[in-house]
Amino acid sequence: FELTQPPSVSVSPGQTARIPCSGDVLAKQFGYFYQKKPGQAPVLLIFKDTERPSGIPERFSGSSSGTTVSLTITGVQAEDEADYYCQSADDSATYRVIFGGGTRLTVL
Amino acid sequence: QVQLVESGGGVVQPGRSLRLSCAASGFIFSDCAMSWVRRAPGKGLEWVALISSDGTKIHYEDSLRARFTISRDNSKNTVYLQMDSLRVEDTAVYYCARDHLDSNAMDVWGQGTTVTVSS
Repeated sequence: FELTQPPSVSVSPGQTARIPCSGDVLAKQFGYFYQKKPGQAPVLLIFKDTERPSGIPERFSGSSSGTTVSLTITGVQAEDEADYYCQSADDSATYRVIFGGGTRLTVL
Repeated sequence: QVQLVESGGGVVQPGRSLRLSCAASGFIFSDCAMSWVRRAPGKGLEWVALISSDGTKIHYEDSLRARFTISRDNSKNTVYLQMDSLRVEDTAVYYCARDHLDSNAMDVWGQGTTVTVSS
């Protein structure tokens, strides 16, 4: 039960960033994405693959296809530079939550 | 407003114990499952444990089950993490988080408390 993310993604301001997260569990369980900035608590950006909590800007969106979920940031801003983590949960045996290794988004 | 405030972190020697607390406010605590998540220096997020809203269902990351105990007191709006036989590799910032009512996400997080295990 693993989730794989690219270690880093770089984009220029105003461009679109896509952060994929792959894992077999995602074929049957939802994926979630968090933003983590230094010294701050993680923030939930996307839940149930595509849903956005209230207060999260519309430029953050999620999608799902097979065993991959993706976070897309449209019109990246300098303030979006952060680490992004995907997460899922599985209860096929004992309940377990797992995070991907994280992706560092650099805004050039 | 909705808030989680962790406390109890500090510097502890290997083999010793520590109990973390997380005080909740701004929402109906007894309706919500709660989790602990940690982040070791230079590493990613790692889920530690979850406790159901009434405390009857508890789940742990397998590698921590033998040494960590999650509990809650709904009369005090507080969730706890008892950590025994601490190891250097348990050094991390520990976050408590509220589980999203409609999914397996964590939708509210505290600022974290730092645990350093060192001789």
